[in-house]
Amino acid sequence: GQQVMQIPQYQHVQEGEDFTTYCNSSTTLSNIQWYKQRPGGHPVFLIQLVKSGEVKKQKRLTFQFGEAKKNSSLHITATQTTDVGTYFCAGKRYGGATNKLIFGTGTLLAVQP
Amino acid sequence: DTEVTQTPKHLVMGMTNKKSLKCEQHMGHRAMYWYKQKAKKPPELMFVYSYEKLSINESVPSRFSPECPNSSLLNLHLHALQPEDSALYLCASSHPPGQEDNEQFFGPGTRLTVL
Repeated sequence: GQQVMQIPQYQHVQEGEDFTTYCNSSTTLSNIQWYKQRPGGHPVFLIQLVKSGEVKKQKRLTFQFGEAKKNSSLHITATQTTDVGTYFCAGKRYGGATNKLIFGTGTLLAVQP
Repeated sequence: DTEVTQTPKHLVMGMTNKKSLKCEQHMGHRAMYWYKQKAKKPPELMFVYSYEKLSINESVPSRFSPECPNSSLLNLHLHALQPEDSALYLCASSHPPGQEDNEQFFGPGTRLTVL
């Protein structure tokens, strides 16, 4: 079946350092979404990427969708303690007629002040 | 109102009990979802309702029974659960398939413990 893997599983950084998580799908995706889940919280939508090679920015966060629409990345510049949480990518299978999202395995980010 | 509410927040039940989880949204979304999330794992899709009809059942055991009474409400009826069913149960809603803006809004979840 379709799998979406993320690396790393866990990243510990000092506040102010940069952070990147990578998302790889075994199949082509029609779009990819990114969610953040704070410890003890629920997933919160961050962004959706639809076009091949698309790049979107939200303040210190930069999101990319690969040319082949099988991978994506999230880069955070100058991390802050408020960035702590697990970041999930979630892909929608290309050609799928439903809203079924396949969540990636997640990357837990810890930020040391 | 961009909120999905879930009740109860916490639930402890025995293996012979029957209980229900409730979810409500007033964003006009016509797709609603149940996910199960174990600690340190991603949300795992259980059911999808689209226009109040069950459109996806991810081979979930029959001890979990979903219900969508109307476009704002989603229930998950629980009966004869096993200890391994203990998890965070998340409800989510979105616009239905075919619409570009289909981000999913998640509720805070119900943390279920089965004894």
